[in-house]
Amino acid sequence: SAVISQKPSRDICQRGTSLTIQCQVDSQVTMMFWYRQQPGQSLTLIATANQGSEATYESGFVIDKFPISRPNLTFSTLTVSNMSPEDSSIYLCSVGSAGWSYNEQFFGPGTRLTVL
Amino acid sequence: AQKITQTQPGMFVQEKEAVTLDCTYDTSDQSYGLFWYKQPSSGEMIFLIYQGSYDEQNATEGRYSLNFQKARKSANLVISASQLGDSAMYFCAMIPAGSYQLTFGKGTKLSVIP
Repeated sequence: SAVISQKPSRDICQRGTSLTIQCQVDSQVTMMFWYRQQPGQSLTLIATANQGSEATYESGFVIDKFPISRPNLTFSTLTVSNMSPEDSSIYLCSVGSAGWSYNEQFFGPGTRLTVL
Repeated sequence: AQKITQTQPGMFVQEKEAVTLDCTYDTSDQSYGLFWYKQPSSGEMIFLIYQGSYDEQNATEGRYSLNFQKARKSANLVISASQLGDSAMYFCAMIPAGSYQLTFGKGTKLSVIP
């Protein structure tokens, strides 16, 4: 199993600023994903973080708003740019790896973001 | 595309009783996986149980069991002997074979009453 940490665990930010969220895994993983969970809602996939290439974004999410980096197989960052109150959400990273059983897909503890 | 439907926004159950949380799904894939996750108020996503579409037996993990009816495209979660700590949001999710991208339902908020 993998141990995933996220930083920060929570933050309160002002409108118009940007926040970078880090996701660190204690072992190399093939896949890393970023999800958003708006208040009272379900989880929605933002993008797949690809190591060494640009992230793959889902419909409705764009790189200018949510730039993602993945410099190696254990680390990724998600930036929420030019924030507005609508960006207030929990942001979660999840990881999976080829060869793992499906019940081994793990989630990080999440970053709870409030935008004023 | 996959779609997950959870029709129960909220459920109440008496402590020590069993409860069933409903989940139906829609997919054109022949091979897929179904998950249930628990999300307490802290926000973390806790894996509960997994069922593969070709698994012949219903999955069980301790007090959790998945009532899988493939023809009806349903994957209900059964929690036996409910505990106060079971109060949380529960999400049903689906994954196509060969992928690690989850599609989630809207969730069911379970409240366990002492």
